[in-house]
Amino acid sequence: IQMTQSPSTLSVSVGDRVTITCRASQSISIWLAWYQQKPGKAPKVLIYKASSLERGVPSRFSGSGSGTEFTLTISSLQPDDFATYYCQQYNSYSLTFGGGTKVEIK
Amino acid sequence: EVQLLESGGGLVQPGGSLRLSCAASGFTFNFYAMSWVRQAPGKGLEWVSAVSDSGGTTYYADSVKGRFTISRDNSQNTLYLQMNSLRADDTAVYFCAKDGCSSTSCYNGRYFDSWGQGSLVTVSS
Repeated sequence: IQMTQSPSTLSVSVGDRVTITCRASQSISIWLAWYQQKPGKAPKVLIYKASSLERGVPSRFSGSGSGTEFTLTISSLQPDDFATYYCQQYNSYSLTFGGGTKVEIK
Repeated sequence: EVQLLESGGGLVQPGGSLRLSCAASGFTFNFYAMSWVRQAPGKGLEWVSAVSDSGGTTYYADSVKGRFTISRDNSQNTLYLQMNSLRADDTAVYFCAKDGCSSTSCYNGRYFDSWGQGSLVTVSS
């Protein structure tokens, strides 16, 4: 299953609403996770099962979608949110990640 | 607190072998499937391999099938990745990662809620 993320880069300002899209090449039901990764660090899970917020993750992060189209939304971007975001399908092995979306300062 | 600590990375020549280890603590290791995920320099994440909680079932990405072997020692709380016939395109940081939910608690928990710090493998002559 191929995962396609868009856009690949997003130039935004603090306080902006950010939306990242992930499309699966076939239906994956709700088995999708979103991760945040900062340079030199391991990824951190934000959302699992398409819309469930991982414990400890700020509520400005939300996920939606099912089937083949999914969205990660950051309601009001904070300085700590500048990072690269990845989606991952876990409907079936082989597990696959999207190509990533880098959120950078405008 | 969950901790995953990888070791065993380094520089190896093309065609060579290397074994990575991941020492786990802070959770009941034999309740969770585990995976290896890699990231080539400046690139995205690529899932490599997974092993079930018991160690009895393994899964591999096509890119490493036949060359890499995943295993675990539940008595030592340790995950392994034996890498043979290494190629330049295997150069990456290798992360071990814990499933987000055990098979006894969830229908499908194959996302990753804990990661190690990563171990760099460089394949070069």
